[in-house]
Amino acid sequence: SQTIHQWPATLVQPVGSPLSLECTVEGTSNPNLYWYRQAAGRGLQLLFYSVGIGQISSEVPQNLSASRPQDRQFILSSKKLLLSDSGFYLCAWSRGASGNTIYFGEGSWLTVV
Amino acid sequence: ILNVEQSPQSLHVQEGDSTNFTCSFPSSNFYALHWYRWETAKSPEALFVMTLNGDEKKKGRISATLNTKEGYSYLYIKGSQPEDSATYLCAFYNNAGNMLTFGGGTRLMVKP
Repeated sequence: SQTIHQWPATLVQPVGSPLSLECTVEGTSNPNLYWYRQAAGRGLQLLFYSVGIGQISSEVPQNLSASRPQDRQFILSSKKLLLSDSGFYLCAWSRGASGNTIYFGEGSWLTVV
Repeated sequence: ILNVEQSPQSLHVQEGDSTNFTCSFPSSNFYALHWYRWETAKSPEALFVMTLNGDEKKKGRISATLNTKEGYSYLYIKGSQPEDSATYLCAFYNNAGNMLTFGGGTRLMVKP
């Protein structure tokens, strides 16, 4: 069976500090990978998606970046966090890109202070 | 940017009540409509993936209908229970190459 893990679960970071959230998927190969964010009071916003190693598409311009160094690893980064980066971040995967079910990780709470 | 709207934003019902809420999406270039259930402190989990106009899916006391021509889907919960309390998200996928776009969710609270 497939599993997805992301970490850390919670993070409190000062403004201007770097960020690294990691996500790994097991039990499948060549998944599509996603980073979503839920800001307070809003739905899920797609930040990045990847259909293969080194292939990253950004949906929303911001000071965040994503990388996919291995087939089943997806990393969300920032060089300098802003207060507005606070929120709940979800990593997710799916098979193919044709509207298949999205499977989510446990989520990471980021508070920028 | 695709517009996916859910209403109401939140809903309080008594245990045993039946309830329903709406997801509206663009009616052009339809490919799929998803419903997810998101309990507090857990990850969202898929309820239904719907692709055909007129489709109706059912899982226990929860069911969903789909109208792709007018761009809406209803989620019904029959005889709500406290464990049904969660945020219900719909997500729309079109065939123009966009990724899933999520609505803002309907937060359901069922009082015992």
